[in-house]
Amino acid sequence: QVQLVESGGGLVKPGGSLRLSCAVSGFTFNDYFMSWIRQAPGKGLEWVSYISYTSTYIDYADSVKGRFTISRDNAKNSLYLQMNSLRAEDTAVYYCARGTVTTAGLFDYWGQGTPVTVSS
Amino acid sequence: DIVLTQSPGTLSLSPGERATLSCRGSQSVTNNYLAWYQQKPGQAPRLLIYGPSSRATGIPDRFSGSGSGTDFTLTISRLEPEDFAVYYCQQYGSSPWTFGQGTTVEIK
Repeated sequence: QVQLVESGGGLVKPGGSLRLSCAVSGFTFNDYFMSWIRQAPGKGLEWVSYISYTSTYIDYADSVKGRFTISRDNAKNSLYLQMNSLRAEDTAVYYCARGTVTTAGLFDYWGQGTPVTVSS
Repeated sequence: DIVLTQSPGTLSLSPGERATLSCRGSQSVTNNYLAWYQQKPGQAPRLLIYGPSSRATGIPDRFSGSGSGTDFTLTISRLEPEDFAVYYCQQYGSSPWTFGQGTTVEIK
């Protein structure tokens, strides 16, 4: 069955860096766009970034552009999010999610999320 | 960016009742690419409805979606105990993809 498992979250000081990973199984990873989506404590959902099958197309929300970098390793069935210059407002649970075969921005499977806390 | 506004913020209903949730866009949603997700405490969101009236795999037929342009509706025909949760709409027709702020369906 389809599984997405995030890791790498934790507590980091403002200005620090963190790298999130998402290990997937149960489907052909390089057939799908993938995204990161976050949810601040008690708040709604915010799309963060997406990456296409072979990393040709990448985009970011304005709130993270220039600070976050999405990448993938199709040989390892893994998705990554490098987060630099972290701010308090980046505190959230970060989910990786799969776009559907036909529509990159429609998310049919999600991981359970990894929490990131940015605090001094 | 397309801003999605959901109403009401909270819906207090009893099991067996009908729930009607609204999602309005600040501009027309391209191709009516509008989805609904359900989220329970401590869990990831789950895709319910997309496009805007197709049910995702395994979603019971008491969930239905409708609408076009800027106005969309999620209807739960008869609430089951497991349906009490937060519901989010999302537009995926234009970048950046955006979500509404959510509607909480709580037990009255």
